[in-house]
Amino acid sequence: LAKTTQPISMDSYEGQEVNITCSHNNIATNDYITWYQQFPSQGPRFIIQGYKTKVTNEVASLFIPADRKSSTLSLPRVSLSDTAVYYCLVGDYKAAGNKLTFGGGTRVLVKP
Amino acid sequence: SQTIHQWPATLVQPVGSPLSLECTVEGTSNPNLYWYRQAAGRGLQLLFYSVGIGQISSEVPQNLSASRPQDRQFILSSKKLLLSDSGFYLCAWSVRHYPEELFFGSGTQLSVL
Repeated sequence: LAKTTQPISMDSYEGQEVNITCSHNNIATNDYITWYQQFPSQGPRFIIQGYKTKVTNEVASLFIPADRKSSTLSLPRVSLSDTAVYYCLVGDYKAAGNKLTFGGGTRVLVKP
Repeated sequence: SQTIHQWPATLVQPVGSPLSLECTVEGTSNPNLYWYRQAAGRGLQLLFYSVGIGQISSEVPQNLSASRPQDRQFILSSKKLLLSDSGFYLCAWSVRHYPEELFFGSGTQLSVL
């Protein structure tokens, strides 16, 4: 399972765009990249998933360069409610019994 | 639709007492099941995962164990709790397709005193 490295914390202000980069230098060919959001005293919630290039949904965008050794989660126009911990996971989801291990996550604080 | 139930929501137990946390999934069959633990202010630590009934893989040997007596039931146990077992315990499931997405329960806040 590819190891991931993320910044420990980031501060932002309401209305700004937040970009969180995750490094995964030893990502394997079959690995997908998935991002989760966690609020205090809750389980993480799936945000977005991708394999290469760019993926966009209603809440975020995920940018993955050609070498796939990193990925960037982009949260457009954040609000106070986006204050949370964001986790990047990399794994071969085809593998039976895949050990989906979370890293330390990035604590994002959105200020008014 | 699929749902995951985890109970109890909070639990206070004395050191040396036993533990049993239960997690059940509805609306799907043959899910992958996971137990995670999160210490205060820390990331999630994978404890156990299971791909089928009776099939348990352990990531943390310590004094915890897991069992899967039924397809959609996952139980976390301990014979004697330690102070270090305090934390937020989360059960999760995923459908075995490509790619996977984890769905988490609401968690159990365990305090060992």
